[in-house]
Amino acid sequence: EVQLVESGGGLVQPGGSLRLSCAASGFIFSSYSMNWVRQAPGKGLEWLSYISGDGTNIYYAVSVKGRLTISRDNARNSLYLQMNSLRDEDTAVYYCAREWASPFFDSWGQGALVTVSS
Amino acid sequence: QSALTQPASVSGSPGQSITISCTGTSSDVGSYNFVSWYQQYPGKAPKLMIYEVSNRPSGVPDRFSGSKSGNTASLTISGLQAEDEACYYCSSYTRSRTRVFGGGTKLTVL
Repeated sequence: EVQLVESGGGLVQPGGSLRLSCAASGFIFSSYSMNWVRQAPGKGLEWLSYISGDGTNIYYAVSVKGRLTISRDNARNSLYLQMNSLRDEDTAVYYCAREWASPFFDSWGQGALVTVSS
Repeated sequence: QSALTQPASVSGSPGQSITISCTGTSSDVGSYNFVSWYQQYPGKAPKLMIYEVSNRPSGVPDRFSGSKSGNTASLTISGLQAEDEACYYCSSYTRSRTRVFGGGTKLTVL
């Protein structure tokens, strides 16, 4: 069974940093591209970033480029999102999502809540 | 990259059919058959319902169907059921190799 489990969320002050992790199991992690998607309270889904299976291709949404860094460790079956210079508007549930074959998200984690507040 | 445009809400009675539109541009929806649709219940993670415009993953009822014409994709749900009440999001691949979501449509089953 495919499982994606996010961790690392929590309360952080504006201007602070946070690193989210996504632990994958039930599939050959290195064979799949991965994405981060977020959802602010009461709002819609926002795609943030993509990383290919071998980590060589990375893309970001314009809105977060320069502040977020996606990475992966295939030996640990883990995906990461380093978030810097956090703002109030970064408050959201952050999901990791697997991408299969073509650009769609076939499996999602349960989400990690990040709250940016002083 | 601007979000794809979806109606904020749609509604229908049990047994009826509804269609949710998703309008993009020639840089995303219009250029690729990489439109997907997701169902989300409150407090839950999204679930893939349609991929590559019109394909259904295993386990998704055939009441759900997708199509595309030009820059607009559509999700149709026929034979509406109470359990279909949820928020639906479209997504597309873009020429910038990024992905983009629609703003979401709240479906109410009357």
